[in-house]
Amino acid sequence: GEDVEQSLFLSVREGDSSVINCTYTDSSSTYLYWYKQEPGAGLQLLTYIFSNMDMKQDQRLTVLLNKKDKHLSLRIADTQTGDSAIYFCAARQGGFKTIFGAGTRLFVKA
Amino acid sequence: DTAVSQTPKYLVTQMGNDKSIKCEQNLGHDTMYWYKQDSKKFLKIMFSYNNKELIINETVPNRFSPKSPDKAHLNLHINSLELGDSAVYFCASSQGTELNYGYTFGSGTRLTVV
Repeated sequence: GEDVEQSLFLSVREGDSSVINCTYTDSSSTYLYWYKQEPGAGLQLLTYIFSNMDMKQDQRLTVLLNKKDKHLSLRIADTQTGDSAIYFCAARQGGFKTIFGAGTRLFVKA
Repeated sequence: DTAVSQTPKYLVTQMGNDKSIKCEQNLGHDTMYWYKQDSKKFLKIMFSYNNKELIINETVPNRFSPKSPDKAHLNLHINSLELGDSAVYFCASSQGTELNYGYTFGSGTRLTVV
């Protein structure tokens, strides 16, 4: 089955760019998502990308997809302290099941 | 407010008890899910219902029983609670055919078994 892996921690300074990386194993994954979880809250969908796209930009967020390497990244420009959270990568093949990575804890230092 | 709402937000109970968690969505979605998030924040799917029909049933002890009275509600009943059941349980919903919208999550129910 699908497996999604992410590094667990990332620390950046306020104003810098953050890049969170993710790899997945199932090349038939059609939809790839990034979710954000703040303390004590549920996951919030940030952005998504279809497998036929290489890049998607949405304000400060840029998603890059390398299908050959099955690698997904989320870049947050001008990172703010409010961006401190856990970021989950997720993959879905077109059925009803979405597989989540373990989450990357982003720490933003003022 | 349009949302996925879960009750209760916190639940502390003794081993061996039976408890239920309720979930309701008013988004008009046709698919609902239960996920378990452990202390390391790892999310694992437990169940999914599409239009009241069970479509995903992962390897979950049969002490856990989901019930979907209608497509807007998905409740989770847990019998004979064990210490290892302590976790945060998230309900989520999606429009099954609209995969680009991802899931909408509730704010979670933190279950502590003592």
